Amino acid sequence: DAGITQSPRYKITETGRQVTLMCHQTWSHSYMFWYRQDLGHGLRLIYYSAAADITDKGEVPDGYVVSRSKTENFPLTLESATRSQTSVYFCASSVAGVLYNEQFFGPGTRLTVL
Amino acid sequence: KQEVTQIPAALSVPEGENLVLNCSFTDSAIYNLQWFRQDPGKGLTSLLLIQSSQREQTSGRLNASLDKSSGRSTLYIAASQPGDSATYLCAVLYFGNEKLTFGTGTRLTIIP
Repeated sequence: DAGITQSPRYKITETGRQVTLMCHQTWSHSYMFWYRQDLGHGLRLIYYSAAADITDKGEVPDGYVVSRSKTENFPLTLESATRSQTSVYFCASSVAGVLYNEQFFGPGTRLTVL
Repeated sequence: KQEVTQIPAALSVPEGENLVLNCSFTDSAIYNLQWFRQDPGKGLTSLLLIQSSQREQTSGRLNASLDKSSGRSTLYIAASQPGDSATYLCAVLYFGNEKLTFGTGTRLTIIP
């Protein structure tokens, strides 16, 4: 089906482990985004990408790594997970930048770090 | 600091009533404002996108207005239905930013 998918939907891991969250979109949108959503903070941008091989930091990038070798995929890696990274993670995409374009969101990944 | 505020955090309304959700932003220099809906355990669904040059946008029973001078946007929902129950978030793209600034949302419950 067309759209934006995330995997896994739920993940429990331990402090210090590496975790990779996957995001895949079938629209060939140029821009992709990673957000985290926490109570009291709303959504905060972690990283974004304007095209394959182009990535930029958002508001809260520390502890995260991204890559984008293909337009349709934008994985997010937690190099050494910490409890403060327990959150719901959303991937989003848009045709171009946010200036004139809506963002479309995936269903989210709920990550718990013990 | 460029922020987005949504008050109240939660709202309950009887079915059939018209209602207004509020969004305030701290700087009138914006490119656009977007309203989203989020159902429990789900991602965000874009409802309406208002560019800075526009005063309002309409989609079905939804109407969003934008008043940059007062730093306010409202989302009007006509003839509310139980299926409208969700959390509604607004997000602003401020001048000088490449990212949206989100409010924390209003959780709307429509009482049958």
